[in-house]
Order: sequence, then structure tokens, then C-alpha cells
Amino acid sequence: DQQVKQNSPSLSVQEGRISILNCDYTNSMFDYFLWYKKYPAEGPTFLISISSIKDKNEDGRFTVFLNKSAKHLSLHIVPSQPGDSAVYFCAAIARGGGADGLTFGKGTHLIIQP
Amino acid sequence: EAGVTQSPTHLIKTRGQQATLRCSPISGHTSVYWYQQALGLGLQFLLWYDEGEERNRGNFPPRFSGRQFPNYSSELNVNALELEDSALYLCASSLGVVGETQYFGPGTRLLVL
Repeated sequence: DQQVKQNSPSLSVQEGRISILNCDYTNSMFDYFLWYKKYPAEGPTFLISISSIKDKNEDGRFTVFLNKSAKHLSLHIVPSQPGDSAVYFCAAIARGGGADGLTFGKGTHLIIQP
Repeated sequence: EAGVTQSPTHLIKTRGQQATLRCSPISGHTSVYWYQQALGLGLQFLLWYDEGEERNRGNFPPRFSGRQFPNYSSELNVNALELEDSALYLCASSLGVVGETQYFGPGTRLLVL
């Protein structure tokens, strides 16, 4: 029973274009969402987060959108750069629910083409 | 500021042995989380320690255990190792407030032969 789903195992985008990574969740108790980026042989690096009381959060080239009614969030990277090539994980947590660790999706491998 | 550190980077054990993995959190962080990333399974939550106590654990058998020391560093112990325990074990730390952003270390790659 996967509570956080990233349905695209990989995504290829041309350098300079917009990368859009998608994530769906099923647990309506989740109220805080995060995106992490991971290179091979390294731990995940925190990118950006969003609380369920917001629908958008922006940090430089990264913007996360949250659609609570659809239980969907997306990460936009504009413009995409070669260094963005990595695996991106969506994660969620229910802060008011007695807290577990983060629940992660299986990741999307983003490949930026020159 | 130093990030989360983990040791060793790689560990090779045989089936039935015990493995001990170590983690030092970011200075000022009191919560330590352990995750397992096995092939094809994504990151799975293992354990959460805060202020020296185990606060929660994921869906793993009791042979996965650990502790947190007074300086907030942590150990993960895996007893009676099985082949399927081969994975990347990641430690994360956060300020001891529920839902605070977790920052990850580089991981320990455990191989069970």
C-alpha cells in the first residue's frame, strides 16, 4: 500500500526547459510535503517543502505546487540545468498524527539533455 | 556547519552476523531518523529517536534496533543479518519538533553475503 506515489520512474528534459515532477498521495492526514534530490552514492539533499495550508512555495528555480483536493503535488524546475540530473524523491509526513518518519515515493530519475 | 555524518561508508557482513551503523546529527539537532533504501523499494522509515528515546519505528522486525546517546548521536544495530538486509542505510536529523525538515547523511552501504 503505497501512500506516496511517483508514477514516472524517469523523465528526460532538454537543458533550459521546464522540468515538472509529479507526486500523488493517498493519506489525507499528510500535512507537510518535501522534495529531496539524490545523486548516486550520496544521501538525499533537501530541496523545498510545502505545508498543507499553502498551495505554492517558491525558492529560486524550484517551485512546488500542492493541490489538496486532488492529493497531488508537483515540483517545477525552471530553467533546467545539467546539474539537476538526479533522482528526485517526494516525501510526506502527518505532523499532527503522532509522527512517523517521512513517507517517500520511489523517486523519479530526471535526466537533463544538453 | 558540519552536516550529518555516518560511519562506516561501506560494511560487508555474512548472514547471521550483527552490524552496527553510526550516525552523528547536525549540531543542535536532537532527533535522529533511520531509513533503509533497498533495491527497488525506495526509502523506508526504520526508527526515530529523540532526546535519547525511541519515539517510533517503521514496519521492521525487532532485530532492527538502535539507541541514541546523550550527545544525540545514534547507533543502528541489525542482528541475525539476512541477505535481504543488503541496502543503503540513511540517517537523518532534525530539530526535535515534529515535522521539521530532515537532513540526511551520505549513508552506509551494507552488503550481506
